[in-house]
Amino acid sequence: SQQGEEDPQALSIQEGENATMNCSYKTSINNLQWYRQNSGRGLVHLILIRSNEREKHSGRLRVTLDTSKKSSSLLITASRAADTASYFCATFHSGNTPLVFGKGTRLSVIA
Amino acid sequence: NAGVMQNPRHLVRRRGQEARLRCSPMKGHSHVYWYRQLPEEGLKFMVYLQKENIIDESGMPKERFSAEFPKEGPSILRIQQVVRGDSAAYFCASSRTGVDYGYTFGSGTRLTVV
Repeated sequence: SQQGEEDPQALSIQEGENATMNCSYKTSINNLQWYRQNSGRGLVHLILIRSNEREKHSGRLRVTLDTSKKSSSLLITASRAADTASYFCATFHSGNTPLVFGKGTRLSVIA
Repeated sequence: NAGVMQNPRHLVRRRGQEARLRCSPMKGHSHVYWYRQLPEEGLKFMVYLQKENIIDESGMPKERFSAEFPKEGPSILRIQQVVRGDSAAYFCASSRTGVDYGYTFGSGTRLTVV
C-alpha cells in the first residue's frame, strides 16, 4: 500500500503553542500535500511541497520533506482555537495516479 | 467562482434502494475524484474520471458501484442496492491538469442506509 501514515493520531495543545504533525510514506513521490478538515466538512488544501524541495512556508505553516526518510512534517506556529481540525497528508506518486491520503492527525487547540 | 458542488448533502436510503451522488467540479477543472470516508478515518480513493473517461477505478467495489462523468453535466457516483456498510461520507474533488495542483474538495454527501 502506498498510504501514508500520520503521527500522532491525536494531539491536544494550548492556544499559542506550536503543533507538529508527521507523515511517513512508503514509495517515491512526485509531491506531498497537506490538507485540513474541519468536523463534518470537506478537506481544504493547505500546502504542496515537491520532491526536490526540502522546506516550504505559508503563513503560520511550515512543511519539511525528507525524501531519504520518506517523511514530512507540518508545523503550525502560535496555534489558535480555530486550528482545531484533522490534518491529512497526501502523496502524489506519478502519472495518472490519484492522491493517496493518510488517516490524519486530530488536533485540538484549547483556548 | 463556485467551488466543487456536491448534492445532496445528506441522503437517507433504505437497504436495497439506489443512491445517486452528484458532483460538479470547479470551473476550469477537468479531473474528478471520488473518495469515501468512514467516521474517524482517512479518505479512501474510489475512482478518478475525466470527461467521458474512467482513468482509474481501482478503489471501486466490483459490484453495485459505478461512476460517470458525462460530456455535459455533473459526475455521478451510483450505488445500487445499498447496504448498511455503504453508510459513509462521500467526497468529490476536482483538479486542474498537471502534477503541481492540489485538489479542491466538495462538502461531501453523507449517506445513511437504514
